Amino acid sequence: DADVTQTPRNRITKTGKRIMLECSQTKGHDRMYWYRQDPGLGLRLIYYSFDVKDINKGEISDGYSVSRQAQAKFSLSLESAIPNQTALYFCATRSSGRLETQYFGPGTRLLVL
Amino acid sequence: SQKIEQNSEALNIQEGKTATLTCNYTNYSPAYLQWYRQDPGRGPVFLLLIRENEKEKRKERLKVTFDTTLKQSLFHITASQPADSATYLCALLNQAGTALIFGKGTTLSVSS
Repeated sequence: DADVTQTPRNRITKTGKRIMLECSQTKGHDRMYWYRQDPGLGLRLIYYSFDVKDINKGEISDGYSVSRQAQAKFSLSLESAIPNQTALYFCATRSSGRLETQYFGPGTRLLVL
Repeated sequence: SQKIEQNSEALNIQEGKTATLTCNYTNYSPAYLQWYRQDPGRGPVFLLLIRENEKEKRKERLKVTFDTTLKQSLFHITASQPADSATYLCALLNQAGTALIFGKGTTLSVSS
């Protein structure tokens, strides 16, 4: 089984709809991250969490919210989706050690019409 | 603010040649730098980490160098194969030490 899973893998929604993307990990890592990836812009950090009581904004948090339901679960919500939120979304996890690498999920491809 | 630049968006080489990818950074002195591989429609996968006090790191056909004076890392794939075709991303821990920031990536295409 994959260490980091994301659901759904693909989603089409309409402008103004609320949508939630979910992430689960079995690596036992305390740190979890949400990134979005757009052609020509690379990976950009949306939100990150160091534990269930610690949530932090990344560089592009406007229009998004997150919830850390448990150490293993971190969900990303778009309260009112807009077309420029069409992107590939990745969840990632990392241990708290300074040299630790990140493990990414398979991604969710979101299209907002 | 910190910036990471991967100079080439795309690199095309022939099988068997050495591919060299460049990562430059500014406004920062990272303790280490990481390289990831990303295949289309998939999440990035970690390849190598090099610390600031290491000049060079090798793993099989991969070699990474880190020049803190030039603020540059070079990523080499020797004896390249079509299976090496992918996008390669460099990444640094941000100054707060809280998250990795990524370059935009270089897409390598190896033709047979």
